[in-house]
Amino acid sequence: NAGVTQTPKFQVLKTGQSMTLQCAQDMNHEYMSWYRQDPGMGLRLIHYSVGAGITDQGEVPNGYNVSRSTTEDFPLRLLSAAPSQTSVYFCASSYGPTGYEQYFGPGTRLTVT
Amino acid sequence: AQSVAQPEDQVNVAEGNPLTVKCTYSVSGNPYLFWYVQYPNRGLQFLLKYITGDNLVKGSYGFEAEFNKSQTSFHLKKPSALVSDSALYFCAVRPQAGTALIFGKGTTLSVSS
Repeated sequence: NAGVTQTPKFQVLKTGQSMTLQCAQDMNHEYMSWYRQDPGMGLRLIHYSVGAGITDQGEVPNGYNVSRSTTEDFPLRLLSAAPSQTSVYFCASSYGPTGYEQYFGPGTRLTVT
Repeated sequence: AQSVAQPEDQVNVAEGNPLTVKCTYSVSGNPYLFWYVQYPNRGLQFLLKYITGDNLVKGSYGFEAEFNKSQTSFHLKKPSALVSDSALYFCAVRPQAGTALIFGKGTTLSVSS
């Protein structure tokens, strides 16, 4: 199993540009989520999905969109990049939303200039 | 508000000595508790979790954690630290009835030889 994969590993955007961060998992996990990691702030939940076709907002959803058309894929879209979105983004998946541990991807380091 | 606190930004120990990384939480009900470790430029890796049962939980790489309901704590411990344990450690809590995983801000563990 490849586990959770994310592309790209690094990305530089100009303010106002849009892009999609890709996330895929091959473990048949129902629950997937996106986090951003900023220094001294831990990980903050952006959006999550409890299954194909179902998504919901997390703690910091503004400026981001998600969709879940398949169990395997959970892309994160930045609509109009802002410097405040400079961060490291992690995708994670698990069998379920409650007592199961999450498996994390390697992360995407995004810089918005 | 529900929260997780890791009161120490950094913990320094000598190799061979016991280590403790502290975590306290404030959530309603009986939460699920997790510890994750992050090595430089990597995603988070699951170490251990408490769901129910024995208050002492054993996990990967010789780590263990003790759940203390009265003190709302879930401290991570290891009897004998290794230099290779040096990393960033995150405590996370999921309220039993919710789906969002709440992370602490992380504690950097530095083990010296």
